[in-house]
Amino acid sequence: GALVYQYPRRTICKSGTSMRMECQAVGFQATSVAWYRQSPQKTFELIALSTVNSAIKYEQNFTQEKFPISHPNLSFSSMTVLNAYLEDRGLYLCGAGGQNTEVFFGKGTRLTVV
Amino acid sequence: TQTVSQSDAHVTVFEGDSVELRCNYSYGGSIYLSWYIQHHGRGLQFLLKYYSGNPVVQGVNGFKAEFSKSDSSFHLRKASVHWSDSAVYFCAVSASSNTNKVVFGTGTRLQVLP
Repeated sequence: GALVYQYPRRTICKSGTSMRMECQAVGFQATSVAWYRQSPQKTFELIALSTVNSAIKYEQNFTQEKFPISHPNLSFSSMTVLNAYLEDRGLYLCGAGGQNTEVFFGKGTRLTVV
Repeated sequence: TQTVSQSDAHVTVFEGDSVELRCNYSYGGSIYLSWYIQHHGRGLQFLLKYYSGNPVVQGVNGFKAEFSKSDSSFHLRKASVHWSDSAVYFCAVSASSNTNKVVFGTGTRLQVLP
C-alpha cells in the first residue's frame, strides 16, 4: 500500500535556529508533495505545493526564504523552517500524491520552539 | 479556488447518540471531498472520500458521508458514537484538476460524553 513517513515525529528547537523535516513516500511515486502547518487550535494551512519538474508554489504568507523545500525525486521531500520563532510552532504535515491519485498524508512533525 | 466550511466548531453528544458533522464547499468544477479525524496530539487519519458515483460513501468505524451537489454539502454521520470518537474532524476538498492541493475546513471538535 501507499504510505507516507515523516521524521522526526517531534522536535524541539531554540528560538532563532532552524529545523529540517523530511517526508518519504513508499509504495507510489510522489509527483506532488504539499506541506501544511497546523498551528495550535487551528486548521491545516497549505505552505507550498511542490510538483516534480515544476516550480514550487508558495501560498500567501509563506516564502521560500523562510520555508525552503527540496523535492529531488519521486519518493522524498524535505522542508526547513529557518530562523524559527514561537509562531512557527505546530504540526507540519506532508501530503504526497501521484498523477491522478489521492493524497496520502504522513503523521506529521510536531515542532516546539523554546 | 475551492473553499470548504464547517459551521460547527464544537459538537457534544452522549455515547450511543447519532451525530452529524456538517461540511459545505464551494467550487465550480469537479472535486474530491474527504473527511479526516485528528485525535488529541496526533496526526491526521483518513476516514472516507468521495469523487463520483454513489453519493453515500462508507468509511471506517461506522462513519459515512453523503454528497449533495444541490446543497454543496458533504456531511459526515455516525449512527451510534463511542467515547473514542471524541476528536477533531476535518472536511477537505481538492479540485480534480489538482488533487494534490487540499483545502481543509476549520475542523469540528466532537466530544462524546459517557
